[in-house]
Amino acid sequence: EVQLVQSGAEVKKPGESLKISCKGSGYSFTSYWIGWVRQMPGKGLEWMGIIYPGDSDTRYSPSFQGQVTISADKSISTAYLQWSSLKASDTAMYYCARPLDHYYDRRGPPGYWGQGTLVTVSS
Amino acid sequence: QSVLTQPPSASGTPGQRVTISCSGSSSNIGSNTVNWYQQLPGTAPKLLIYSNNQRPSGVPDRFSGSKSGTSASLAISGLQSEDEADYYCAAWDDSSWMFGGGTKLTVL
Repeated sequence: EVQLVQSGAEVKKPGESLKISCKGSGYSFTSYWIGWVRQMPGKGLEWMGIIYPGDSDTRYSPSFQGQVTISADKSISTAYLQWSSLKASDTAMYYCARPLDHYYDRRGPPGYWGQGTLVTVSS
Repeated sequence: QSVLTQPPSASGTPGQRVTISCSGSSSNIGSNTVNWYQQLPGTAPKLLIYSNNQRPSGVPDRFSGSKSGTSASLAISGLQSEDEADYYCAAWDDSSWMFGGGTKLTVL
């Protein structure tokens, strides 16, 4: 069974750094792209970027380029989303997502989702 | 402001058929397939429809999708109370996924 399990909720202060994780299991982690999606409180879904753990090829949505860093450690089947200096406006739920089976391209429909990580940034 | 435009709300009574529209452009819906997601309160999005009209395993056939030109629609027939949720359309656009702003479906 394909599973994406994300790290737990975080409460941080503005200016602090943060790295959240998404661990994949039940499939070949290096064969599928993994993307990150932001959902601000009461708002819709926003695609942030995507990584191919096989070779760490990473693409960012223009809105998030330079704001976050996406990485992966294939040895432990885990993808990451990190911030170097958090802002209050980073308060949101963050989801990782993987395409459906047999969709090996980054355009594959995100069909498997993590449970989400709530990040709260407040002084 | 989302690239894909959805009505903010929709409603129907149990048993009714409801449709939700999603309008885009030639760079997204016009040249790529459309997915639909259901998000129940406090949960992660769930893929309902992919490739315009395909249902993943386990999704009831009450849910159907269609696409024409730069627009797409999600139809829900035999509306049930548990269908009350937020619905999002999504399509690839140039180099990333784009989502609609979401439609809140209320079952009256």
